[in-house]
Amino acid sequence: SQQGEEDPQALSIQEGENATMNCSYKTSINNLQWYRQNSGRGLVHLILIRSNEREKHSGRLRVTLDTSKKSSSLLITASRAADTASYFCATDPSRLFQGGSEKLVFGKGTKLTVNP
Amino acid sequence: DTEVTQTPKHLVMGMTNKKSLKCEQHMGHRAMYWYKQKAKKPPELMFVYSYEKLSINESVPSRFSPECPNSSLLNLHLHALQPEDSALYLCASSPGRLPSGANVLTFGAGSRLTVL
Repeated sequence: SQQGEEDPQALSIQEGENATMNCSYKTSINNLQWYRQNSGRGLVHLILIRSNEREKHSGRLRVTLDTSKKSSSLLITASRAADTASYFCATDPSRLFQGGSEKLVFGKGTKLTVNP
Repeated sequence: DTEVTQTPKHLVMGMTNKKSLKCEQHMGHRAMYWYKQKAKKPPELMFVYSYEKLSINESVPSRFSPECPNSSLLNLHLHALQPEDSALYLCASSPGRLPSGANVLTFGAGSRLTVL
């Protein structure tokens, strides 16, 4: 079964607004990653947060991780039409400092549409 | 070079054909992956090669046969496929399991396979 479950499944917003996507998972993790996929294309790694971190920023992206609730959120601020894509969380079930698992588990994804 | 290159981009084949998908990376990554993705679904792991050895086979039917000729190349040989095998096939690579690192994947753009 899928480790990560994103919600919402689909999100439609206006350009300039913020977009928040959530991911819940079931087992303990080494790290959690977010990837973006434009329609019919490959996935692009966006940001990684380790299990001993609570928040991380990269440009317009902000990721939080709550290991007690087994959940993460991805915030995209000041969204642009070019942010339209599907966003997947991926969890690494290995232990911290174990070196990372080759078996990342992808969630079902959130389809984000940013309207001009 | 920070890319994973997949060929062909599109492939249409009959159920009796034999074809191959190819993947190449020149980032010095030691792990390479095949994922299968159906429409509106997350990527599903098929195979992982680590240091040119098959390390993970996710119980994939034998009509899919992976091959890793060297650390830069990964092939997926296809034979006697079924229409339900039609999907986007994604290749990815990563540095491999580093003691202090996490496993971040770099994906190719995918090969869109249609089985008639």
